Amino acid sequence: AQSVTQLDSQVPVFEEAPVELRCNYSSSVSVYLFWYVQYPNQGLQLLLKYLSGSTLVKGINGFEAEFNKSQTSFHLRKPSVHISDTAEYFCAVRENNAGNMLTFGGGTRLMVKP
Amino acid sequence: DGGITQSPKYLFRKEGQNVTLSCEQNLNHDAMYWYRQDPGQGLRLIYYSQIVNDFQKGDIAEGYSVSREKKESFPLTVTSAQKNPTAFYLCASSEPGTQYFGPGTRLTVL
Repeated sequence: AQSVTQLDSQVPVFEEAPVELRCNYSSSVSVYLFWYVQYPNQGLQLLLKYLSGSTLVKGINGFEAEFNKSQTSFHLRKPSVHISDTAEYFCAVRENNAGNMLTFGGGTRLMVKP
Repeated sequence: DGGITQSPKYLFRKEGQNVTLSCEQNLNHDAMYWYRQDPGQGLRLIYYSQIVNDFQKGDIAEGYSVSREKKESFPLTVTSAQKNPTAFYLCASSEPGTQYFGPGTRLTVL
């Protein structure tokens, strides 16, 4: 069975600094990978996804993520964060034999400080 | 304007009452999902439906019920059998490969 681990529950960072949110997964089959963002009291918004092709994926709001199959990771990065990036970020995995079913990580709270 | 709507945004329930949360989508997606989110935690799957008139239990279905009579609608009923229903409830629908989420309903038991 697959599982998703987000290693950091909270990441504090100063405005304009770079940030990396870590995501590791375990699966015995090939996977598709997603990052979602959740602002307070709102639903989840898709940031980016890896389905196939280039392992470096660019998403909205200046975020990008790199799929590393050998390390079973899909870390999210942004070179310079803004106060408005303060939110909860969720990594999710879909196995290629699981239809559209997702397994979510526990989430990482990004706190951007002025 | 396409999307997923959930209503109400906030819902208060007395103990022993059943309540129904609405989820509607106009994206023409076949599959729909209900998740529960508790503070500081990830999402847990309650029920899902891959097609009209069919649905399956997720990881935490006890105390909940659903119906899927129309492609656009997937209402969730929180019954009195659900012992701890206070949570944030998220509905999603999917095109092949990707799930999209509604804005959520916050349910509080008084």
